[in-house]
Amino acid sequence: DAMVIQNPRYQVTQFGKPVTLSCSQTLNHNVMYWYQQKSSQAPKLLFHYYDKDFNNEADTPDNFQSRRPNTSFCFLDIRSPGLGDAAMYLCATSREFGTGIEKLFFGSGTQLSVL
Amino acid sequence: DQQVKQNSPSLSVQEGRISILNCDYTNSMFDYFLWYKKYPAEGPTFLISISSIKDKNEDGRFTVFLNKSAKHLSLHIVPSQPGDSAVYFCAAEYYNQGGKLIFGQGTELSVKP
Repeated sequence: DAMVIQNPRYQVTQFGKPVTLSCSQTLNHNVMYWYQQKSSQAPKLLFHYYDKDFNNEADTPDNFQSRRPNTSFCFLDIRSPGLGDAAMYLCATSREFGTGIEKLFFGSGTQLSVL
Repeated sequence: DQQVKQNSPSLSVQEGRISILNCDYTNSMFDYFLWYKKYPAEGPTFLISISSIKDKNEDGRFTVFLNKSAKHLSLHIVPSQPGDSAVYFCAAEYYNQGGKLIFGQGTELSVKP
């Protein structure tokens, strides 16, 4: 089945130690997103890629970076994780962006803990 | 400031009865509203949507109602089934930013047999 896969399901890192979360898709969608969901809060968009074009949200901290080496893979890099970065990170894909209603396909998420 | 709000963190309903999940928003410029459903250990999945020019959209047991004057939408599930037990997220988006979802905090629905 075509899908969005996130690994690992749980990730533990130390305060200030760089960490990378990964996402892959078999849907061949143009757009890949990273959403952050802190406990009991609404998921919030960090950035998205349309093909190779990176689009950062204005309020996404500089500590968060992303890479998309090819259509199938996208990575979220947190350069110096703080305690406040502990959250569920959701990767999603869609065929297009900005052309009306878009159905997003989400992975099951990576729960990041910062010790 | 949160533009999309779901003020009820949880809702419990008896099987066969109606479930009503509510959502309020602050920005009258949103073009679309969507509901996503999330089971534990899975990502959210799209459930139903409505355009801001409509006031109702129906898909099987699921109906979404939009009240633009009140900036309020609701999701009705009739009849509710135990398999509907999940977290339901309300989300809004603009036409030219389709894909950028502005989510509410979610409401956890529990349907009891």
